[in-house]
Amino acid sequence: EPEVTQTPSHQVTQMGQEVILRCVPISNHLYFYWYRQILGQKVEFLVSFYNNEISEKSEIFDDQFSVERPDGSNFTLKIRSTKLEDSAMYFCASSEMNTEAFFGQGTRLTVV
Amino acid sequence: AQTVTQSQPEMSVQEAETVTLSCTYDTSENNYYLFWYKQPPSRQMILVIRQEAYKQQNATENRFSVNFQKAAKSFSLKISDSQLGDTAMYFCAFIFATGNQFYFGTGTSLTVIP
Repeated sequence: EPEVTQTPSHQVTQMGQEVILRCVPISNHLYFYWYRQILGQKVEFLVSFYNNEISEKSEIFDDQFSVERPDGSNFTLKIRSTKLEDSAMYFCASSEMNTEAFFGQGTRLTVV
Repeated sequence: AQTVTQSQPEMSVQEAETVTLSCTYDTSENNYYLFWYKQPPSRQMILVIRQEAYKQQNATENRFSVNFQKAAKSFSLKISDSQLGDTAMYFCAFIFATGNQFYFGTGTSLTVIP
């Protein structure tokens, strides 16, 4: 069964460093999303992406964040200068139409 | 603003019993999709069940079923014959038919007791 794959599963980074979180969506899906979940808390929307551009972004998704689909298969989230409060579980999701989303297993980002 | 409310932060159920998780939402849109996602301790988000708002018939998926009341903006999840593997956080969510983001509730932590 097709699935969304995220790498790495866990990333530890120094505050101020750049990180890139990688996702391989399901191959025939057209809509892509990044969400994050601070431990034990709610699932927060970051950004959605369709037709090679951002379709919607939240207030959290400021200039420190960017997304890219560099090669037609990967979908990446870059955080330019990480802060302690960026520590969270980051989930990538994709959907064929904007109906149900299938989530990856998440990347746990720890900023120290 | 679009909101999803899950009023039960924690629930427990005896194995083999039935439990209902509640969810209400607020939107002025008429065409949308509703979902329940399960997040076990592994932390992956797994789709449990989906409901189209234009369908009156409640969705079912094996032991999982929903009670969708569109006028009341209510979307509860019933789990029958609860199993230990059902222990997880459950999130209610929706997306507009023309939308770009899924709106999530705050989750209900369900524990199935042996």
